[in-house]
Amino acid sequence: QQQVKQSPQSLIVQKGGISIINCAYENTAFDYFPWYQQFPGKGPALLIAIRPDVSEKKEGRFTISFNKSAKQFSLHIMDSQPGDSATYFCAASDTDKLIFGTGTRLQVFP
Amino acid sequence: KAGVTQTPRYLIKTRGQQVTLSCSPISGHRSVSWYQQTPGQGLQFLFEYFSETQRNKGNFPGRFSGRQFSNSRSEMNVSTLELGDSALYLCASSLEGAENTEAFFGQGTRLTVV
Repeated sequence: QQQVKQSPQSLIVQKGGISIINCAYENTAFDYFPWYQQFPGKGPALLIAIRPDVSEKKEGRFTISFNKSAKQFSLHIMDSQPGDSATYFCAASDTDKLIFGTGTRLQVFP
Repeated sequence: KAGVTQTPRYLIKTRGQQVTLSCSPISGHRSVSWYQQTPGQGLQFLFEYFSETQRNKGNFPGRFSGRQFSNSRSEMNVSTLELGDSALYLCASSLEGAENTEAFFGQGTRLTVV
């Protein structure tokens, strides 16, 4: 019930391409869905977040798509850049604790 | 404004010892959460403190404990260390809690148990 499933585990994208990472959840009480970006040796940093009352949120090259009925949400990175190479975590929360997905290691090649 | 500060950055301890990790949140933040990050289990929630009270607790044994002081600084303690406790321990602070306000993470404390 508390799990957040994330896929793929790793992703290789060419510069300028679109990176797509998917997450699914079971607990319908979750009402906050953030995405975090983590570089080696650093703590996770919030990238973008969404609440279930909207189906899409865009900030620059980053977009979250949210499907409440399917209990799925995804991160799209448009025009992927080598500087986007990092590990991405989706998460969900309902009680001030974040339940994280297992992470996706994104590598963007020039 | 200063970010979340965790000390020490690295620790090596022996099995059976205990360890205390420290977290100084962003000024004005009252919520502090702790997470354990390992390659096998990913990021797992340990506990959350708000205004010196533990508000949430994850599924970790009682060897893992924490506290928060009146200035919002927090410590976590792990007693009787096991090899499996080797991990990156991350602290996150937020104004009111991770669900309602953005959580900012520190760089973590890398604990190695030998």
